[in-house]
Amino acid sequence: AQSVAQPEDQVNVAEGNPLTVKCTYSVSGNPYLFWYVQYPNRGLQFLLKYITGDNLVKGSYGFEAEFNKSQTSFHLKKPSALVSDSALYFCAVRDRASGSARQLTFGSGTQLTVLP
Amino acid sequence: GAVVSQHPSWVICKSGTSVKIECRSLDFQATTMFWYRQFPKQSLMLMATSNEGSKATYEQGVEKDKFLINHASLTLSTLTVTSAHPEDSSFYICSAFRGTKETQYFGPGTRLLVL
Repeated sequence: AQSVAQPEDQVNVAEGNPLTVKCTYSVSGNPYLFWYVQYPNRGLQFLLKYITGDNLVKGSYGFEAEFNKSQTSFHLKKPSALVSDSALYFCAVRDRASGSARQLTFGSGTQLTVLP
Repeated sequence: GAVVSQHPSWVICKSGTSVKIECRSLDFQATTMFWYRQFPKQSLMLMATSNEGSKATYEQGVEKDKFLINHASLTLSTLTVTSAHPEDSSFYICSAFRGTKETQYFGPGTRLLVL
């Protein structure tokens, strides 16, 4: 079984400050890890993914995430937050060995609010 | 740009009627599409996996006779909510794999309100 935990329902940060949105995962094998962002009444937009290789992954809109196997974490980060980054963020995982199932498991989501 | 589209973006219907939601992959073929349901301020719940040319695979607890899925072509999957009731009101989102099939791309979602 695979699971994802986003321990914070809400993260508030001042504009211009660095932000971190936390994610930990559990899979039986090796993970594929993803971050998606959702704006109100919209579908999910892909931000970045970790498949293999460099543990630091850079994605859209200046976001990055670091894969830490020992801590089973994949925290989302941005050096300088913008008000427009305010949205709902989802971490997702898929076991690399899931084969044809290929189903993502999502975390519960973290609402990021960037204060001007 | 968008790689998966949904239509309609929102729909209001009377209780007892059926509603069809379309999910299309744009400029790529999707043999597999996924249908999710999302309640306000909650995560996505996978409802079913739609397979082109075969029956959909439903998650436990999802009524297949209630939520009919048809994957008629490599670019189109439809979800029909039959005999809709107010408790079916929700945000429905589809997704598909593109390219290397590592990343799912999501449609913009369909807001359903059943009166």
